Amino acid sequence: GQNIDQPTEMTATEGAIVQINCTYQTSGFNGLFWYQQHAGEAPTFLSYNVLDGLEEKGRFSSFLSRSKGYSYLLLKELQMKDSASYLCAVRDGDYKLSFGAGTTVTVRA
Amino acid sequence: IAGITQAPTSQILAAGRRMTLRCTQDMRHNAMYWYRQDLGLGLRLIHYSNTAGTTGKGEVPDGYSVSRANTDDFPLTLASAVPSQTSVYFCASSTGTGDTGELFFGEGSRLTVL
Repeated sequence: GQNIDQPTEMTATEGAIVQINCTYQTSGFNGLFWYQQHAGEAPTFLSYNVLDGLEEKGRFSSFLSRSKGYSYLLLKELQMKDSASYLCAVRDGDYKLSFGAGTTVTVRA
Repeated sequence: IAGITQAPTSQILAAGRRMTLRCTQDMRHNAMYWYRQDLGLGLRLIHYSNTAGTTGKGEVPDGYSVSRANTDDFPLTLASAVPSQTSVYFCASSTGTGDTGELFFGEGSRLTVL
């Protein structure tokens, strides 16, 4: 299986920036994904990185370093609605997607 | 727009009973997946299918079986349910190996085995 590690919990203030780190070890690599999951709901797609570098999409950015097996998700201008679990997922050489345990982000006023 | 439909939404089941979770997608996606989600463990892949007629084992396949007779349907069967199979089950689909391969998830099926 894959080893995907990310912090369990993070707390930040509304309007602030939070960075969620993810490290991985995988057999083959075909992309890294970030998903958002609100409590009691299904995960929804946030971002995809397959090449090294930064991908920016509005308030969310995702970074990948394949040589380091490292990614981060950056959430800027935090809003209360950003309180959710953020899942790092890696697609392996067989195109199967494995998920980390998720990082619960709590945004406080 | 339906996307992926799972049924039932929730179910309480006696141990030893047989149960099939249904999953149907209308996006003509090649690949389909079943995950279970447990607190602190995240999403774990049970079985997958890259195309109709083929299936493969994921990380936690024991006690589960799947079939993929056509593109749209991917049922998950628990032959004899046990309490450790209490979980939230998510079905997902993707275009497969092309483009980003983003997963689209159903709303989940909450299963409790007593």
